Amino acid sequence: AQSVAQPEDQVNVAEGNPLTVKCTYSVSGNPYLFWYVQYPNRGLQFLLKYITGDNLVKGSYGFEAEFNKSQTSFHLKKPSALVSDSALYFCAVRDNNAGNMLTFGGGTRLMVKP
Amino acid sequence: IAGITQAPTSQILAAGRRMTLRCTQDMRHNAMYWYRQDLGLGLRLIHYSNTAGTTGKGEVPDGYSVSRANTDDFPLTLASAVPSQTSVYFCATKGGSTNTEAFFGQGTRLTVV
Repeated sequence: AQSVAQPEDQVNVAEGNPLTVKCTYSVSGNPYLFWYVQYPNRGLQFLLKYITGDNLVKGSYGFEAEFNKSQTSFHLKKPSALVSDSALYFCAVRDNNAGNMLTFGGGTRLMVKP
Repeated sequence: IAGITQAPTSQILAAGRRMTLRCTQDMRHNAMYWYRQDLGLGLRLIHYSNTAGTTGKGEVPDGYSVSRANTDDFPLTLASAVPSQTSVYFCATKGGSTNTEAFFGQGTRLTVV
């Protein structure tokens, strides 16, 4: 079975500071990893994904994530946070041996304060 | 504009009533999914369909049924709604191979009273 853990319910950061939203995963095969963002009363929007290749993945809105196989982690990062980055962030994993099944973490609320 | 349409946007439903949430896509994606989103629990998969004519159970299928008569539509039916089915429901689609991302609809907020 595949699973995802987002250990922080909420992350608070000041505008202009770097941010990190943590994600760890568990799969039996090789993982496909995704980050999504959800703004209030909206659906999920895709940010970035790791499939293979470089461990550092760059995505939309200046976000990036680093795949660490030994730590089974895929933390989301941004060098300089914006107030508009405040939203709910979800990490998700798909086991390449498990077809199309996508499993989500519980979500982390990011609050960026001016 | 291509995308996923969910209807209704929101609904208040009496317990025991039958309800169908609609999901239509125009991206010709083979795979479609229904998730429910609950505070602190993230998104949990209810049912999925890898292609028209096939469906499968996800993590929390009890009390829900789906059908996939064609590529574009994937309705979710609550046969007899209960208050624990109060949630926000998201339909999603995915095309291509296993490594492509899923796309999500805007959600249906359902309150069962």
